[in-house]
Formats: sequence, C-alpha cells, structure tokens
Amino acid sequence: ETGVTQSPTHLIKTRGQQVTLRCSSQSGHNTVSWYQQALGQGPQFIFQYYREEENGRGNFPPRFSGLQFPNYSSELNVNALELDDSALYLCASSLEGSAGANVLTFGAGSRLTVL
Amino acid sequence: AQSVSQHNHHVILSEAASLELGCNYSYGGTVNLFWYVQYPGQHLQLLLKYFSGDPLVKGIKGFEAEFIKSKFSFNLRKPSVQWSDTAEYFCAATGFQKLVFGTGTRLLVSP
Repeated sequence: ETGVTQSPTHLIKTRGQQVTLRCSSQSGHNTVSWYQQALGQGPQFIFQYYREEENGRGNFPPRFSGLQFPNYSSELNVNALELDDSALYLCASSLEGSAGANVLTFGAGSRLTVL
Repeated sequence: AQSVSQHNHHVILSEAASLELGCNYSYGGTVNLFWYVQYPGQHLQLLLKYFSGDPLVKGIKGFEAEFIKSKFSFNLRKPSVQWSDTAEYFCAATGFQKLVFGTGTRLLVSP
C-alpha cells in the first residue's frame, strides 16, 4: 500500500502571499487531516475533510482553507501569509467509520518558511 | 478544552537504561490514546495505541504504555533503550475533539 505523500517538501514565501499545499492520502483511506507543527511544538489540528466536506476544525483563522477531491486527495490553502505561519504542515489520512478511524498515517510534511 | 501534557521536554539516557515518558490528558469522557514517534528525518509513526480493554498496551520495538484512568495518564515505557530509539515522542488523545498532541519529548540515547 502507498503511504501519504505531500508536495512540495519545502517552500519559501513572503508575507501577504498565498500558498497551496497538496496531499495524497494512503490507499483505502477516505479522510484527510491537516496539522501545523511549529518549531519545538507538537502538531496542532487545523481541520479534517471527509466526503469532500470539512469535518472538524481547530483554532485557525478562515484564511486557512482546504479542499478534498473525489479521489480523497486534499489541498491546504493559506492566504495572506504571516511570519508565524512558518511551520511544518503535516497531512494525515485515516479511514472514517471504522475502528481505526482515529489511527492516522502521516506524510513527511511540507516545510513552509515565510519571510 | 481537551489538552495533552508531556512533562519531559528533553531526556538523555545511556544505552540499556530504562525509559519512562510521562503523559497526562485532560478530558473526562472516553478517550483514545496514542504515542507517535518521529525519528530524525522521518515522518510521524504510530508507536502504540489504547482504545479499550487491557490498560497495558504493547507497541513496536519493545515499547509499552499503561493507561491509568484515575490519574488521566498514559506513560510510555521501555525497559532498555537503544541508540536507535533517539527520536521525538508525542503523546496524543482523541475524545471530544480530533487528535490532540502534546508538545513532545526529545529523547537522546548515547551509545
């Protein structure tokens, strides 16, 4: 089975710009979650997508938005980038509706630097 | 709000020493508990999980964790660490909210 893949692996943006991060879920998984991991911190839940709709959101402003596609892949979009958005963005997939719904498989992450 | 606390931010051990990493969660309802590990240069991987049943759960690579409901704890243990256990360890919990992580513990095992 294929794991979770994310792109790009690294990118640099400037304040005010917009960024799109992409994620392909593990084969057989129908749910995608996004996390932000700042330096020295644990991953913070941004939101989750199930059946192409947002299914839970953490404490992040509306300029953080996402999409899930019919093939269960997902995008994270961040508008009006701020310096504090610099972090590792993690995508994780899982199978909602099963006993393993809470068992997440993580990708390697996209490291965003905002200058 | 649900939260997860990890007491040790950095731990340094010699090979063959015993390990115990503390984790406490704050949520009064039913929770699922996890330990994830992030080896240098690698992505987060599931080490072990507790959903229900036997409160002592065994994971990969000789790790185990004990769920103590009365203490809201889920401490990670390993009797004898190896240099290859050098990594960052994250405790996490689900309950009312989606998966909530602690801040992590960096473990350095010296040969």
